[in-house]
Amino acid sequence: GESVGLHLPTLSVQEGDNSIINCAYSNSASDYFIWYKQESGKGPQFIIDIRSNMDKRQGQRVTVLLNKTVKHLSLQIAATQPGDSAVYFCAENKAGGTSYGKLTFGQGTILTVHP
Amino acid sequence: ETGVTQSPTHLIKTRGQQVTLRCSSQSGHNTVSWYQQALGQGPQFIFQYYREEENGRGNFPPRFSGLQFPNYSSELNVNALELDDSALYLCASSPQQGQGNTDTQYFGPGTRLTVL
Repeated sequence: GESVGLHLPTLSVQEGDNSIINCAYSNSASDYFIWYKQESGKGPQFIIDIRSNMDKRQGQRVTVLLNKTVKHLSLQIAATQPGDSAVYFCAENKAGGTSYGKLTFGQGTILTVHP
Repeated sequence: ETGVTQSPTHLIKTRGQQVTLRCSSQSGHNTVSWYQQALGQGPQFIFQYYREEENGRGNFPPRFSGLQFPNYSSELNVNALELDDSALYLCASSPQQGQGNTDTQYFGPGTRLTVL
């Protein structure tokens, strides 16, 4: 069935290291992907997005890579800081049809940054 | 610019009761989506409202219903509450045409519902 999943449920890094969070999706019809950061007790916070006609998109300290051949998405965080500690979700959106507007979320990866 | 707001922050109900949760969309946003997030899981899509009408629904029973008002704010109503309805309920709004990417959803802080 449809799913957006993550390879690693937890990731621990040292402050200053680069972090890579991975996500696999199964629906090749998906055309829009978003990464969210969720801190304890808060709602998901938009980090960066990418459309299926792109392979890479960069933001401030973050880069999202999309490999449509293997249906894989990754979030790279440069110079990870303690404030980056949170749960990270990838989400998939399919344009059109009865599922329009529905975001399908993965299970989440817990990122812990050690000072 | 005010982001997405939700009320109340926390709510405790008993099984069988009804609950109404409220959401105000971000300025310039006209689409509202609701999600349920159980502890330790990702959010699950309940439904979306656009132009005051339901515009897509997830795998939730009819006792989950909603409304959108002319000012784009929205309500989520849940009847006959069950223990498994205990979760964080999230509202997200999306920009209208010309105000940003209409596919992007920006979330509020959520309402924590506990059903006893």
